[in-house]
Amino acid sequence: EDKVVQSPLSLVVHEGDTVTLNCSYEVTNFRSLLWYKQEKKAPTFLFMLTSSGIEKKSGRLSSILDKKELFSILNITATQTGDSAIYLCAVEGGSNYKLTFGKGTLLTVNP
Amino acid sequence: DTGVSQDPRHKITKRGQNVTFRCDPISEHNRLYWYRQTLGQGPEFLTYFQNEAQLEKSRLLSDRFSAERPKGSFSTLEIQRTEQGDSAMYLCASSLAGSYTFGSGTRLTVV
Repeated sequence: EDKVVQSPLSLVVHEGDTVTLNCSYEVTNFRSLLWYKQEKKAPTFLFMLTSSGIEKKSGRLSSILDKKELFSILNITATQTGDSAIYLCAVEGGSNYKLTFGKGTLLTVNP
Repeated sequence: DTGVSQDPRHKITKRGQNVTFRCDPISEHNRLYWYRQTLGQGPEFLTYFQNEAQLEKSRLLSDRFSAERPKGSFSTLEIQRTEQGDSAMYLCASSLAGSYTFGSGTRLTVV
């Protein structure tokens, strides 16, 4: 069965800190890995990664995929209180290319 | 279409009652997914449609759950004889070519 494991499950930092969130996966027919941010509502899209070693960047957030070691990281630099959320990793794959999520990392950024 | 719409946003029901949720995807998206999310967990896959065909249903889904997508447009998720363990956020997502958009979810509370 397809599996996505995120670590840590929760993290508390101070504003200005840099954080690294981890996502490892085991999935057949890998197509892509996606990162989402979820506050109180639906997940909002951050990144989609399909190729190894190519960093995707958006402002203070960046992410990279290693398809050989089957993991991805999401980095957030100079964290702000507005970054407090659950960060979800999902992998598209399997026999019908469905999206399988990890449990998420709850990030709390204190002022 | 500006996004994925779910109705209702909140539903409180008594144990044993049947409930039905609706999802209107982005019109050109051919894939539609239902997920269930409980507190502290990532979204859990329930079922998936490509056009009107239900391609996969989670083994975790009991016979009390049924989903339809007539004519490949909107979808409904019905839960019969609700139990307290069904209390969760039910998320719908639609996708086209790897781009996923989530609805705001229906929060179900079974009392």
